[in-house]
Amino acid sequence: DAKTTQPTSMDCAEGRAANLPCNHSTISGNEYVYWYRQIHSQGPQYIIHGLKNNETNEMASLIITEDRKSSTLILPHATLRDTAVYYCIVRGSNTGKLIFGQGTTLQVKP
Amino acid sequence: EPEVTQTPSHQVTQMGQEVILRCVPISNHLYFYWYRQILGQKVEFLVSFYNNEISEKSEIFDDQFSVERPDGSNFTLKIRSTKLEDSAMYFCASGRSETQYFGPGTRLLVL
Repeated sequence: DAKTTQPTSMDCAEGRAANLPCNHSTISGNEYVYWYRQIHSQGPQYIIHGLKNNETNEMASLIITEDRKSSTLILPHATLRDTAVYYCIVRGSNTGKLIFGQGTTLQVKP
Repeated sequence: EPEVTQTPSHQVTQMGQEVILRCVPISNHLYFYWYRQILGQKVEFLVSFYNNEISEKSEIFDDQFSVERPDGSNFTLKIRSTKLEDSAMYFCASGRSETQYFGPGTRLLVL
């Protein structure tokens, strides 16, 4: 599975969009980009995933560059409850495990 | 919305004792996983389970660990003889195809 690089931490003002970047320059053609988050010590929460196209759901949007070497998770209107560690994970289509890195600690401030 | 549930939420045990951590995956899911997270560290994969057998396991998942799906609904992780370093949050996850959904975890403390 390809390795990902994320900033260690980011701040965002409440109500503004939070844009979390992720680099995955060694991603291969059949690997998906997944985003999870972990609030305090709770179980990781699935947010969104994609292969090539941009994706949107009720929680977030995922923008994947055309070369697929990087992506951005967008939380359109961050709230204090979005304060968490966000993990960008690249996962092959034929493997089950998720390999978590250190993630980005997002602090949403009032 | 269906959720993965785990019991107990907290478990304290003495070193050398056996513990069984229980998980109820989301019904109709086919893939089951255990992960752990030592305090302050990354979430680590332990084992995946599909079609009533282990499909992949990590180096952490040694002979002290075993998994079982005893009755078609529960999914258990057994640690035969706990060590101090087994103290961690243990997360169960289940999935139907591409996406895994995690439970709230069991905090295990080995004294």
